[in-house]
Amino acid sequence: QQQVKQSPQSLIVQKGGISIINCAYENTAFDYFPWYQQFPGKGPALLIAIRPDVSEKKEGRFTISFNKSAKQFSLHIMDSQPGDSATYFCAASIEGYGGSQGNLIFGKGTKLSVKP
Amino acid sequence: DVKVTQSSRYLVKRTGEKVFLECVQDMDHENMFWYRQDPGLGLRLIYFSYDVKMKEKGDIPEGYSVSREKKERFSLILESASTNQTSMYLCASSSKQLAGQETQYFGPGTRLLVL
Repeated sequence: QQQVKQSPQSLIVQKGGISIINCAYENTAFDYFPWYQQFPGKGPALLIAIRPDVSEKKEGRFTISFNKSAKQFSLHIMDSQPGDSATYFCAASIEGYGGSQGNLIFGKGTKLSVKP
Repeated sequence: DVKVTQSSRYLVKRTGEKVFLECVQDMDHENMFWYRQDPGLGLRLIYFSYDVKMKEKGDIPEGYSVSREKKERFSLILESASTNQTSMYLCASSSKQLAGQETQYFGPGTRLLVL
């Protein structure tokens, strides 16, 4: 019930196309859903995050769509660029005051390659 | 900018050696984490700490221990390295202000090879 399932494992998109990465969760207590972006040789960094009180959040070319009833959320990258080539991790957590309850649960990651 | 530094980018050790991985953060963060990253398995939490001298097991603590003697420093120890501990190790830190929803800041990682 603590898992976050991410798909696909890898994705190849042409420059200018739309990249879509999906995540699903089981624990309805999750109330924070961030996406992290990791470039080769670097640690992951927060890209964008959403809370379940909204169905969509957009920051530039990156959009999170959230479907509470389906327990799914997805990352859309519009006008994908070669510089977006990275590994993307979705995650989920429960608001708390320390302890394991507040830890991020990460998906297994999606390696995105954007071809020029 | 938050900076999380890890003592080594690459490390090669022999089976049975004791290995120390050091992590230092400069933002006075209360929370610190150690993950390992393996292809197809994502980020798996080894240990975490919410305060000095405090530690809690994550999902895969077997074969590892940690130490947090100072707020800014969190060490991961492999008591007797084995080949199945060959991996990328990532340290992260976060503020306690919004527990459960705080941003985790990651170091660049240490790629450990155990021969």
